[in-house]
Amino acid sequence: QLQLQESGPGLVKPSETLSLTCTVSGDSISSGRYYWGWIRQPPGKGLEWIASIYYNAATYYNPSLKSRVTTSADTSKNQISLNLNSVTAADTAVYYCARHHYGTILFYFDPWGQGTLVTVSS
Amino acid sequence: EIVMTQSPATLSVFVGERVILSCRASQSVSNNLAWYQQKPGQAPRLLMYGASTRATGIPARFSGSGSGTHFTLTISSLQSEDFAIYHCQQYSTWLTFGGGTKVEI
Repeated sequence: QLQLQESGPGLVKPSETLSLTCTVSGDSISSGRYYWGWIRQPPGKGLEWIASIYYNAATYYNPSLKSRVTTSADTSKNQISLNLNSVTAADTAVYYCARHHYGTILFYFDPWGQGTLVTVSS
Repeated sequence: EIVMTQSPATLSVFVGERVILSCRASQSVSNNLAWYQQKPGQAPRLLMYGASTRATGIPARFSGSGSGTHFTLTISSLQSEDFAIYHCQQYSTWLTFGGGTKVEI
């Protein structure tokens, strides 16, 4: 059964870089059948797509975050990673990774990891 | 950016009631729409994609309809385990989510 597990620091200082890893088990990210995505949810608010990556490093970024985001894939570890730089309090959120279904376009997310809360504070 | 608007923000209902949730897009997304259910402290779970196709394991009491700019998610007879927040997501042009509808007692 597919499982996704996010990991990384729970507290990041303003202006620094938020770095998270998602470890995938039960499927290989290099199978090429899916993209792998990052989504966040500020406390009490809605969901925001951040980025999605294919095993060969093809990436799509939310245009509103593109200038601050990079994502990468490590097929040897079956992991994807997210870096968000120059963070502010507005980046405080639960960050999820998810399997991203696609066809001619990117589709929906299923399943999702349990999420990890990242707080931006000094 | 395509803006997704969900209404109402909160819906107070009873077990056994028929529930209809609305999701509107600021421009046509064809049928490129998904619905998710999110319970407190949990990650979202895919309910529906292609506006009307139930995801694996989703009970038949959930149904989706719509195309273009207006979509609905219907729960034919609300069960206690259905109290949650429901999110819609368009994937026609990039990916954007609605603000969610909370279904509460």
